[in-house]
Amino acid sequence: NAGVTQTPKFQVLKTGQSMTLQCAQDMNHNSMYWYRQDPGMGLRLIYYSASEGTTDKGEVPNGYNVSRLNKREFSLRLESAAPSQTSVYFCASRTGTGEFYEQYFGPGTRLTVT
Amino acid sequence: AQSVTQLDSQVPVFEEAPVELRCNYSSSVSVYLFWYVQYPNQGLQLLLKYLSGSTLVKGINGFEAEFNKSQTSFHLRKPSVHISDTAEYFCAVSALNSGGSNYKLTFGKGTLLTVNP
Repeated sequence: NAGVTQTPKFQVLKTGQSMTLQCAQDMNHNSMYWYRQDPGMGLRLIYYSASEGTTDKGEVPNGYNVSRLNKREFSLRLESAAPSQTSVYFCASRTGTGEFYEQYFGPGTRLTVT
Repeated sequence: AQSVTQLDSQVPVFEEAPVELRCNYSSSVSVYLFWYVQYPNQGLQLLLKYLSGSTLVKGINGFEAEFNKSQTSFHLRKPSVHISDTAEYFCAVSALNSGGSNYKLTFGKGTLLTVNP
């Protein structure tokens, strides 16, 4: 049981390049999330998927697209990277509701855009 | 919409001293409350959560937090810290949407706890 996995761990892009961050979970969770973490800003929600086949914008969606490929996988795409997208990106998945509610986080992808 | 304020960006303490990390939230509906810890260059790990019931919640590594609805606070405490507690701590809130299932988390900006020998 690997939990939430993310690839790659590190990436350097030039301005204007594109890339896809991959996320997978093996816990059979319905909901998945993408966050970015910047110094002094905490984590901010980019996009989320409440269930397979649905995606919705979070707090900071501009410049990103997502795909919920299946129940396990939720990818984040940068079509034309900008220096403002330099950040650490975390994927998370959520279990249950009520007393069983918890979000589980992946190890993160550190992205630098030059 | 909900929001979270962590009142201290940095808290330095000496080993074996008590510590309190402060968190206030605002929301127009009932909420779930969480504290996460992030060790250097790692992901986030859940310390504890308040969903309902007893307002004093105990978590891992000897941490506890108290939910105070009237003061809209959820402060994190530990009676005696160790060097290994040095990390960044995040308070987060998730509003309960009636009939909804979004359960989006809103995070505070974090508090860096540094434990010195």
